[in-house]
Amino acid sequence: SQQGEEDPQALSIQEGENATMNCSYKTSINNLQWYRQNSGRGLVHLILIRSNEREKHSGRLRVTLDTSKKSSSLLITASRAADTASYFCATDFGNQFYFGTGTSLTVIP
Amino acid sequence: SQTIHQWPATLVQPVGSPLSLECTVEGTSNPNLYWYRQAAGRGLQLLFYSVGIGQISSEVPQNLSASRPQDRQFILSSKKLLLSDSGFYLCARSLGGGSYNEQFFGPGTRLTVL
Repeated sequence: SQQGEEDPQALSIQEGENATMNCSYKTSINNLQWYRQNSGRGLVHLILIRSNEREKHSGRLRVTLDTSKKSSSLLITASRAADTASYFCATDFGNQFYFGTGTSLTVIP
Repeated sequence: SQTIHQWPATLVQPVGSPLSLECTVEGTSNPNLYWYRQAAGRGLQLLFYSVGIGQISSEVPQNLSASRPQDRQFILSSKKLLLSDSGFYLCARSLGGGSYNEQFFGPGTRLTVL
């Protein structure tokens, strides 16, 4: 399978803390993306990092990519209760996308 | 607009019954279209993708099929549902390959097979 895997599977933090989740993948990639899914809803694109980039920021999100280790991390700073959701990494292989198993984040007010 | 419509939103079907889920997209012509299935508490499994009318690629062997009769219409079907077909079905589109290739998802259809 070319699917990625996120860890941890579940993460619970207090509001205001930072949340870090990791993604590992198996094949070489064009880019890696992170998505968010609120319960029972479709996924929403958060950020894309290209294979030649090592770090990218978007608001409170910081993504790193280490192609030598085939891994990426997503950091959410100063978390809010509204950040409670599942987060997935996705890699593309031609026209196909492969999603990881997801990290379920709970931010406690 | 990147709007993606899926219907129905929820569906309860008996084992052995047929299935037809529809996805339509607005906006850019000739999008790449995708069907995913998400089991409860799990990640997304890519089922089918299409790069154009009548062009379907299947990722996993199963009792499901897909068709793309029009540029902005993508249909997921089954002749006989199995219990294991239960899940959350998501349709998505992308603009194609390249560094800015991101996916836009529809609201999903929750299918329960009893």
